[in-house]
Amino acid sequence: GENVEQHPSTLSVQEGDSAVIKCTYSDSASNYFPWYKQELGKGPQLIIDIRSNVGEKKDQRIAVTLNKTAKHFSLHITETQPEDSAVYFCAATYPGGNQFYFGTGTSLTVIP
Amino acid sequence: NAGVTQTPKFQVLKTGQSMTLQCAQDMNHEYMSWYRQDPGMGLRLIHYSVGAGITDQGEVPNGYNVSRSTTEDFPLRLLSAAPSQTSVYFCASSWGDRETEAFFGQGTRLTVV
Repeated sequence: GENVEQHPSTLSVQEGDSAVIKCTYSDSASNYFPWYKQELGKGPQLIIDIRSNVGEKKDQRIAVTLNKTAKHFSLHITETQPEDSAVYFCAATYPGGNQFYFGTGTSLTVIP
Repeated sequence: NAGVTQTPKFQVLKTGQSMTLQCAQDMNHEYMSWYRQDPGMGLRLIHYSVGAGITDQGEVPNGYNVSRSTTEDFPLRLLSAAPSQTSVYFCASSWGDRETEAFFGQGTRLTVV
């Protein structure tokens, strides 16, 4: 199966600064990489995803980059706001696979 | 806009007791799954179903049973609770089993004493 590693486990930034969370994966066949945000007491919610035929995808203040050669992908949040404070999970899946393989999560705190 | 509904939200069990965690979705999704979330370990798949009458094991299935008699419901049964099953449990559903958005319930926090 796939193995996804996520760093850092905790991240604190000042409001307005950028935050970057990185994940690496082991299976070169993986082709879909979603990012989920989990607010306190709630279930994870998809915020952005990327497929292996694309190198970068943006949605307002959020972007994801993918390096297939190095087998890593990153979440970038610009102009961070207090409401961005949450736990973020990366995940990967591959053709024929039956599940998402999740990273261990990053707890992001945005300091006002 | 119910989405994925899990009940109960909190539960305390004694070792050896059994219980069922309920999960229902109103989006007509074929794929449903159960995850457990433990500190420092992310989300790990317990069981999943690709449609009514079809279930399969995930990464950590021991101690849990599932069934899928309808498209809407996917209950998770703990046969004989153990302290190692103390965790937060999430049910999720999606149109397909991969490359599609998974919708998660709000979770059930289970403590086994």
